[in-house]
Amino acid sequence: DTAVSQTPKYLVTQMGNDKSIKCEQNLGHDTMYWYKQDSKKFLKIMFSYNNKELIINETVPNRFSPKSPDKAHLNLHINSLELGDSAVYFCASSQDGVGLAGVRVEQYFGPGTRLTVT
Amino acid sequence: AQKVTQAQTEISVVEKEDVTLDCVYETRDTTYYLFWYKQPPSGELVFLIRRNSFDEQNEISGRYSWNFQKSTSSFNFTITASQVVDSAVYFCALKTFGNEKLTFGTGTRLTIIP
Repeated sequence: DTAVSQTPKYLVTQMGNDKSIKCEQNLGHDTMYWYKQDSKKFLKIMFSYNNKELIINETVPNRFSPKSPDKAHLNLHINSLELGDSAVYFCASSQDGVGLAGVRVEQYFGPGTRLTVT
Repeated sequence: AQKVTQAQTEISVVEKEDVTLDCVYETRDTTYYLFWYKQPPSGELVFLIRRNSFDEQNEISGRYSWNFQKSTSSFNFTITASQVVDSAVYFCALKTFGNEKLTFGTGTRLTIIP
């Protein structure tokens, strides 16, 4: 029944490693997103995909690479992890990312993945 | 450019009191959407409400109510008869038409004291 799911929920790793976070939505939405929430709870968008096509890339280091094998999945791969990458990463989806009158544009979020880099 | 300001960083009230969370937004677009999300201590982000810029009707859902005023660019959230389960960080967010980007405020941490 989970609408937007992420795995893993917790990820502890050492600097320099490469890791991936997976996201799946079963809402039939066309648009998916990755957000980063820092230690002060500030939420910032990283990427947005619409039907497997990259729409938003918000000045994220190229060590971060999103991949969307199909419109229900959006994975996040991070190379050469740094201490500053420690954060909670949220995946989200929406029926319509652009926004048309009467169409649902709200984003539904996954449970988050807490990444700790040591 | 768009911006969302939640000036109240932290609020504490005693259970059963009413509390209002403020949200002020900035955008040059005429069509936009405003949202409130709740982040309880468990960490997930829960969608509460969406309001379109062309619909200024206020909304009430149980103990929750939202006051949207374009004249003051505000979208405030009131919880009446607060309960301990309302303790969470609440985020206001803005999205403009044609732009997938959702801009969040910095959040207000609400603590309900039993």
